[in-house]
Amino acid sequence: AQSVTQLDSQVSVFEEAPVELRCNYSSSVSVYLFWYVQYPNQGLQLLLKYLSGSTLVESINGFEAEFNKSQTSFHLRKPSVHISDTAEYFCAVRIKGSNYKLTFGKGTLLTVNP
Amino acid sequence: GAGVSQSPSNKVTEKGKDVELRCDPISGHTALYWYRQSLGQGLEFLIYFQGNSAPDKSGLPSDRFSAERTGGSVSTLTIQRTQQEDSAVYLCASGSSPPDTQYFGPGTRLTVL
Repeated sequence: AQSVTQLDSQVSVFEEAPVELRCNYSSSVSVYLFWYVQYPNQGLQLLLKYLSGSTLVESINGFEAEFNKSQTSFHLRKPSVHISDTAEYFCAVRIKGSNYKLTFGKGTLLTVNP
Repeated sequence: GAGVSQSPSNKVTEKGKDVELRCDPISGHTALYWYRQSLGQGLEFLIYFQGNSAPDKSGLPSDRFSAERTGGSVSTLTIQRTQQEDSAVYLCASGSSPPDTQYFGPGTRLTVL
């Protein structure tokens, strides 16, 4: 079975500061990795994903995540956050090669303060 | 194009009543998933459909929960004899084949009084 650990349930930073949201996973088989974002009172939106190839993936709004197989991590980073980045962020894994369920972490609530 | 839609957006019911939650996936998506989001449990998988069949029902918490999908499109999640612990946001997602990304709907917030 797979599991995902998001080490911080809440992170609070000031606007324009860098941020890292941590995600570690456990799986006996190869997985795909995802970050989803949930803005207040909205549904889940895909932020970025790692399926194969380059271990560094980027989103259109400046977030990036790096797949580290040896450390089984997929941490999310942004060098300079905006107030509009305030949201809950979920890391998720899925077994490779099948239409299979996502296993989510508990989420990290990111609050960006002015 | 249109995304995943769910109805109703909010449902308040009394303990013991049955409820039906509906999901309309993105057109052409053969895979459909139901998840539940609650404060105590986070995001939990409930059931997965490929076409009209459900190869994975492992997340359904009890036999009060059932789901069906017809015509390879719309899906209905039914909860019988609702309990207060069923209160949660029920999320539907769909995806294409070969497997890639799951796209989520806005969810149905269920409150059992």
